[in-house]
Amino acid sequence: AQRVTQPEKLLSVFKGAPVELKCNYSYSGSPELFWYVQYSRQRLQLLLRHISRESIKGFTADLNKGETSFHLKKPFAQEEDSAMYYCALSGSGGGADGLTFGKGTHLIIQP
Amino acid sequence: GAGVSQSPSNKVTEKGKDVELRCDPISGHTALYWYRQRLGQGLEFLIYFQGNSAPDKSGLPSDRFSAERTGESVSTLTIQRTQQEDSAVYLCASSRPPAYEQYFGPGTRLTVT
Repeated sequence: AQRVTQPEKLLSVFKGAPVELKCNYSYSGSPELFWYVQYSRQRLQLLLRHISRESIKGFTADLNKGETSFHLKKPFAQEEDSAMYYCALSGSGGGADGLTFGKGTHLIIQP
Repeated sequence: GAGVSQSPSNKVTEKGKDVELRCDPISGHTALYWYRQRLGQGLEFLIYFQGNSAPDKSGLPSDRFSAERTGESVSTLTIQRTQQEDSAVYLCASSRPPAYEQYFGPGTRLTVT
């Protein structure tokens, strides 16, 4: 069975400090990994996906198959980064098995 | 253009009653997903529709749950004989080819009293 683990329910850092939100997954095949973000009073939206290898809003995430991790990083946190962050996995079913989400990490950026 | 819409935004119902939740996907999106999010939990995948294909219902939590979709348009999620453990936010998402980015609706918050 596929599983996504986000060990931190809450992460609080000061503005300008580096941020790392952890995500580990369990899947026997080749998964596709995503980070979704939900800002206050907004709907869930895609932040980035591993196959794009992009940097969105200064965030990056590298898929480490050896450690089965997909940690989200940003070198200098900004107050507008405060939000709920969800790591998600899509298996090899072409979307038919939906996304498997972690329980989310609430990121708070203190001024 | 308009995003995914869901109605109602909030629903309070008594235990034992039936409820129907509606999702309007983005026009042209062939894939549609339903998820459930209980308080403090991640999103739990319920069911997936792709075009006119029959959906895989194995992710639905019990036989009290059913979902329908007409073609590539509106979908309804029906919960019969609601129980308190059905209280959750029900989210709908749609996408173009199934493996592409999923666009989420605002959700329906269901409270069973």
